[in-house]
Amino acid sequence: KNEVEQSPQNLTAQEGEFITINCSYSVGISALHWLQQHPGGGIVSLFMLSSGKKKHGRLIATINIQEKHSSLHITASHPRDSAVYICAVRWGYGGSQGNLIFGKGTKLSVKP
Amino acid sequence: EAQVTQNPRYLITVTGKKLTVTCSQNMNHEYMSWYRQDPGLGLRQIYYSMNVEVTDKGDVPEGYKVSRKEKRNFPLILESPSPNQTSLYFCASSSGQGRVGTEAFFGQGTRLTVV
Repeated sequence: KNEVEQSPQNLTAQEGEFITINCSYSVGISALHWLQQHPGGGIVSLFMLSSGKKKHGRLIATINIQEKHSSLHITASHPRDSAVYICAVRWGYGGSQGNLIFGKGTKLSVKP
Repeated sequence: EAQVTQNPRYLITVTGKKLTVTCSQNMNHEYMSWYRQDPGLGLRQIYYSMNVEVTDKGDVPEGYKVSRKEKRNFPLILESPSPNQTSLYFCASSSGQGRVGTEAFFGQGTRLTVV
């Protein structure tokens, strides 16, 4: 069974700091997702990666398939980035593509 | 606008009273799933569906039923709710397009309390 580990569990940063959240998984995957969950509860997909690196605004996501590791970086953090960030892996192909396995999330708090 | 719509957003019910949480997506996605989120446990899959009339159990299916009669809808049924089913529920959909599929779209969540 694929295990998904995130670190850190909790992170407090000052506004403007560079933030890194890590995700490791135990078996081969077809894709990795980074999700954001705001205090209101809704979940938004930030990135889906199967290799390399993606950038969207101040957010950067990278994945190293050989090391089974992904990182989410936030540059110039802002209080509105405060949320829970969740890593999820899709480890099936074909018929099981719809399955996601989730990490427990990283709670980020950015102080002004 | 591409979206997954869940209803209701909030529900308080009594033990044993059957209820249905609806989920609908407008993106013609093949894959739909139900998850529950509990403190300290994260998101766990209840059931998923790969297409119309094709469903399978996830990690925590006990006490739940689903059906997929139409591609856009994937209701979650609790035949006899119990207090341990008090949780935050999410429906999600994605496409199987290509080798790795597409990003997942989540509904707004349904906060269920069973008393």
